[in-house]
Parts: sequence; structure tokens; C-alpha cells
Amino acid sequence: GNSVTQMEGPVTLSEEAFLTINCTYTATGYPSLFWYVQYPGEGLQLLLKATKADDKGSNKGFEATYRKETTSFHLEKGSVQVSDSAVYFCALITGTASKLTFGTGTRLQVTL
Amino acid sequence: DVKVTQSSRYLVKRTGEKVFLECVQDMDHENMFWYRQDPGLGLRLIYFSYDVKMKEKGDIPEGYSVSREKKERFSLILESASTNQTSMYLCASSLGASGGAQDTQYFGPGTRLTVL
Repeated sequence: GNSVTQMEGPVTLSEEAFLTINCTYTATGYPSLFWYVQYPGEGLQLLLKATKADDKGSNKGFEATYRKETTSFHLEKGSVQVSDSAVYFCALITGTASKLTFGTGTRLQVTL
Repeated sequence: DVKVTQSSRYLVKRTGEKVFLECVQDMDHENMFWYRQDPGLGLRLIYFSYDVKMKEKGDIPEGYSVSREKKERFSLILESASTNQTSMYLCASSLGASGGAQDTQYFGPGTRLTVL
């Protein structure tokens, strides 16, 4: 079956620090990969996605590259802001299915 | 903008009560989903629906049922609430036409349910 493994949180960084949140996956077939973000008190929002190997998804300064050889989709940002404090979820979907498989989420706390 | 609304942000119920969680979307989406979110477990799919009156079990359907009488509304029902159903419940919807990676899911703000 499909599964997603994320690094344990919380991750605490100072503003302007470099961010990496690791995500690896196991899937049948060729999945599409997603990062969702959940700000405090809100539902999840799609942050970025990549649909095939070597694709790079990017949005709001965040990037993630679909690495088939290492089955990874690590989230990176060069300079985090306090407003990036949230929970980040890695997820995948296979084929034409509508069901997402989520990781456990990683809480990011950015301080001044 | 797609809007997914949930009937309550916070709900407190007693063990054995019947609980209804309502979700409404305003974008004529085919698919609707119910998840529960627990620390350390991420989001787990309870049920989803791909059309009016159609439903499919997700990964953890035990103790829950759903109803979709109208396209825009998807209800989650706890027939007899138990303390282990204390959780955050998230509803989502997606267009559903193509499925797969093109079919972005849009989430509501969640209902935090406490069962005493």
C-alpha cells in the first residue's frame, strides 16, 4: 500500500533561516506528490505539487523536487518568516484515484 | 474562491450521543471527503463520496456513517459517540472530473469534537 513518512517535529527556526522538511514515500505505481500547509485555526491548503519524476513544485518561496531514485519530496525554503509558522503535510495520490495518503505532519515554529 | 464550510468549530458531546457534523461546499464539486486529524497520526480518511447518494469507506470507517442527499452537503454521523472519537474532523471537496493529481482537494476549517 501507499505510505508517507515525514520528519518528526516540531521544527523551531529563527526568522531568515533555511528550512528543510524531509518527506519520503512508498507507493504502487507512479504517484503525484503534494505539500499541504495548515495555519493555526484553519483547514489545509495546497502549497505545491509535482506530478512526475524530477518535477519541481514551487509556491510562496517554498520548493520541493520529486526524486524518484530516493523516493523523496523534501520541502525547502531559503529564508523563513514568522508567518510561515504552521503544520506542513506531505501527501501522495496514485493514478486517477481521488484519495490522498498523508504523512503525520511537521509543525514549524519560526521565531524573531 | 472555493469555500468549504463546516457547521461548528467546536463541539462537546457526551458518550452515547448521536452526533452530526455538517459540511457544505459552494463550487459544485463531485467529490467530498471526511478526515480525522490526530497528533502523530496525520489525516486519516473516514469516508468519501463521489456523487449524490454514493459513498465509499476510507481507511477508518468504523463507528461512523455518512449521508449525501444533496451535491453540496456531506454529513458525518457518529451513531453513538465514544471518547476515542474525540478528534479534529476535516471536510474536503474536489472537482472530481479527472481525479488524480489534477483534482485539488479544498478543506474546511475543521470541527474540534470532544466526547466526554
